[in-house]
Amino acid sequence: KAGVTQTPRYLIKTRGQQVTLSCSPISGHRSVSWYQQTPGQGLQFLFEYFSETQRNKGNFPGRFSGRQFSNSRSEMNVSTLELGDSALYLCASSLSNYNEQFFGPGTRLTVL
Amino acid sequence: ELKVEQNPLFLSMQEGKNYTIYCNYSTTSDRLYWYRQDPGKSLESLFVLLSNGAVKQEGRLMASLDTKARLSTLHITAAVHDLSATYFCAGSRLTFGEGTQLTVNP
Repeated sequence: KAGVTQTPRYLIKTRGQQVTLSCSPISGHRSVSWYQQTPGQGLQFLFEYFSETQRNKGNFPGRFSGRQFSNSRSEMNVSTLELGDSALYLCASSLSNYNEQFFGPGTRLTVL
Repeated sequence: ELKVEQNPLFLSMQEGKNYTIYCNYSTTSDRLYWYRQDPGKSLESLFVLLSNGAVKQEGRLMASLDTKARLSTLHITAAVHDLSATYFCAGSRLTFGEGTQLTVNP
């Protein structure tokens, strides 16, 4: 069974640009969550989607947005990038909101 | 709002020794998760604890949950170098502790 995949794995952008990250969950998983990991702030929750509906949202500015498609794949978008957005962005999938999460390898975003 | 605190945040131990990582959470949480992260890698699920008194063991790691005390522990028995990693607990699926960076020295 294939695991959670995230693309791209690495990304370099400059301030002011926007970026879209993609996450493909494990087959059959309908819940996808996104996290930002930085050395200073640790693991912070961004969004959670279940069956194309955003169920929870973390405390991030509106520049961070996401969506989930009918095949459960999810994307997150960050507009007007800032230096502080440099981080490892992790996606996790699970069967439902209450099941164990399985994490993807992450996308490492560097903003210059 | 659920808050999760781990201690210690840094742990350096010798091979063969035992130690415990503590995870306290602030409000009721119906389950507790433990994850492992190796440097530069993603998170690997270790344990899911679903009820008060739950205990799970895998190799040299044993996790337990006391919902009344709002405390979970991750006990390491006879540590080996391969256990060196950062360990996270999550009081709900969405709220993680700061992580405990474990280094096991030969």
